[in-house]
Amino acid sequence: DTAVSQTPKYLVTQMGNDKSIKCEQNLGHDTMYWYKQDSKKFLKIMFSYNNKELIINETVPNRFSPKSPDKAHLNLHINSLELGDSAVYFCASSLTGGTGELFFGEGSRLTVL
Amino acid sequence: DAKTTQPPSMDCAEGRAANLPCNHSTISGNEYVYWYRQIHSQGPQYIIHGLKNNETNEMASLIITEDRKSSTLILPHATLRDTAVYYCIVRDDSGAGSYQLTFGKGTKLSVIP
Repeated sequence: DTAVSQTPKYLVTQMGNDKSIKCEQNLGHDTMYWYKQDSKKFLKIMFSYNNKELIINETVPNRFSPKSPDKAHLNLHINSLELGDSAVYFCASSLTGGTGELFFGEGSRLTVL
Repeated sequence: DAKTTQPPSMDCAEGRAANLPCNHSTISGNEYVYWYRQIHSQGPQYIIHGLKNNETNEMASLIITEDRKSSTLILPHATLRDTAVYYCIVRDDSGAGSYQLTFGKGTKLSVIP
């Protein structure tokens, strides 16, 4: 059983398109995150949701809109895709009051042409 | 910005202990030290964490200096599968149950046959 699963794993699209990446966790965690890893391999946090409420919103263009329908899901919708959005996007989850360990998904590689 | 400093790369012979250093001279009293690793093309994986005392689990040992300004991750018997980028992270508790991790550049550990 995959603890944190992301779909799709690979996504190739044209500039200007709108796309979504879905994330689901079956760990019973109450906090979920989106991280972006660019071509230089830096991992940067984008968003954090706790119990479906936005907690962290780093400097991310408003073309990126996370949506958390419930505690087990945090989807990432991206409008008007740009070349610079090409990256690997990682979803993660954690449990409040736990050890602080984050469980990461396998990543979704987005390529914008 | 990351609060830690790590060597960019290290080599280790297979079967030997791998000792990965980390400096975190500005760590505050209630901040934990976390170690994660990222094997090529996979999501980051939690290894171990600690506050003051040395810690050991099935994956590794964590040695934290008495002044807490540095630490060492020890993989007792490195295998080829331990080849990865290792991240030392000082946890920034963003409150409201969200554990924000700020990843630096990490150390690329290469285990050599």
